[in-house]
Amino acid sequence: DVKVTQSSRYLVKRTGEKVFLECVQDMDHENMFWYRQDPGLGLRLIYFSYDVKMKEKGDIPEGYSVSREKKERFSLILESASTNQTSMYLCASRPGQGRTEAFFGQGTRLTVV
Amino acid sequence: AQKVTQAQTEISVVEKEDVTLDCVYETRDTTYYLFWYKQPPSGELVFLIRRNSFDEQNEISGRYSWNFQKSTSSFNFTITASQVVDSAVYFCALSEYLFGNEKLTFGTGTRLTIIP
Repeated sequence: DVKVTQSSRYLVKRTGEKVFLECVQDMDHENMFWYRQDPGLGLRLIYFSYDVKMKEKGDIPEGYSVSREKKERFSLILESASTNQTSMYLCASRPGQGRTEAFFGQGTRLTVV
Repeated sequence: AQKVTQAQTEISVVEKEDVTLDCVYETRDTTYYLFWYKQPPSGELVFLIRRNSFDEQNEISGRYSWNFQKSTSSFNFTITASQVVDSAVYFCALSEYLFGNEKLTFGTGTRLTIIP
């Protein structure tokens, strides 16, 4: 059974903190993605990675960075958390070849206070 | 640029009624893929269907059916004889080929509530 696991289900952080959201997949997928989900806005792509150490900006990369040191792990970093980054964050992965569906983690609900 | 529009923000129907969720897309790509995902209250997105731009055949899977019409750039999803377990947020998504790899662009979602 395919698995994308996000390290935390719920997270509360203070403004200005550096925040790490971790995502691990066990399917040997090349592509990994970070989305944020907000009411009325759907899912918006923050960053994606198509290989180890490779990354590309999505639609809303400002205030975020990512790290992919190993194929199975894709980390989202909030350098200095702000209240407008309070959101649901979803990680996804998919194979590099073929235009198949993406598999999603359970989501991390981040609250910045 | 591409765009996915789900004009219905929220829909409520009584159990056993049929319901159709609309999805309209825009793309300049000649080869593209469309997807539907379901997000139950637990939060995890569940894949439902994938359709490529060359396959306009409608698909049926149990109580679910999908109508893909290239002429109107629509990919609508119908649930027949709805059940309470169908209550969820449903997302339509469109693929884009970027930097040699896939990028999925999602619509804003439709929240479906099935009333017992």
